[in-house]
Amino acid sequence: DTEVTQTPKHLVMGMTNKKSLKCEQHMGHRAMYWYKQKAKKPPELMFVYSYEKLSINESVPSRFSPECPNSSLLNLHLHALQPEDSALYLCASSQVPDTQYFGPGTRLTVL
Amino acid sequence: GEDVEQSLFLSVREGDSSVINCTYTDSSSTYLYWYKQEPGAGLQLLTYIFSNMDMKQDQRLTVLLNKKDKHLSLRIADTQTGDSAIYFCAERRVPSGGYNKLIFGAGTRLAVHP
Repeated sequence: DTEVTQTPKHLVMGMTNKKSLKCEQHMGHRAMYWYKQKAKKPPELMFVYSYEKLSINESVPSRFSPECPNSSLLNLHLHALQPEDSALYLCASSQVPDTQYFGPGTRLTVL
Repeated sequence: GEDVEQSLFLSVREGDSSVINCTYTDSSSTYLYWYKQEPGAGLQLLTYIFSNMDMKQDQRLTVLLNKKDKHLSLRIADTQTGDSAIYFCAERRVPSGGYNKLIFGAGTRLAVHP
């Protein structure tokens, strides 16, 4: 089983809202990733957790706050987003280091 | 630089073979990947090749690797309408820290017509 699940599938939020994206995997992977993908562009890496510790923050604005409560779960907390943050947010996981498997994504619209 | 380059668009007739090309930069890369993305969906791992291999075949997919020229290609035999998607080539790098970083190409949009 190589499944990564993400919820919600779609999210619409205002600029003053607080919301969270959730990602889950049960493959025993110890690295988890958040990517942002704009239309017709490749995914851009945002954050990497390795063994539940934040390993990489690719200079992401503080209005995005990642959290890794355990080895299977990854959250992305959103607050005071801008319309330009509208995108597809993808989660991925891998063994350390190994092939990354992606979830279906959350389509985020910021009004 | 760290660019991975791909042509942006390919149009093929149903039943023909498709060949998507990619060039990468890091000669120390160990794995090179092909991901498929259908509209509104996530990235689906199609196949990968280890850098000490020249070729890998998996059903309708054939990956060729030319390490000297840092050139990777994906051939899809008997292309079907369900193959219409964006195909991303990605180069894996392993910085210290226990994770791996993917360097993606811009993606090749494959359009299959009757």
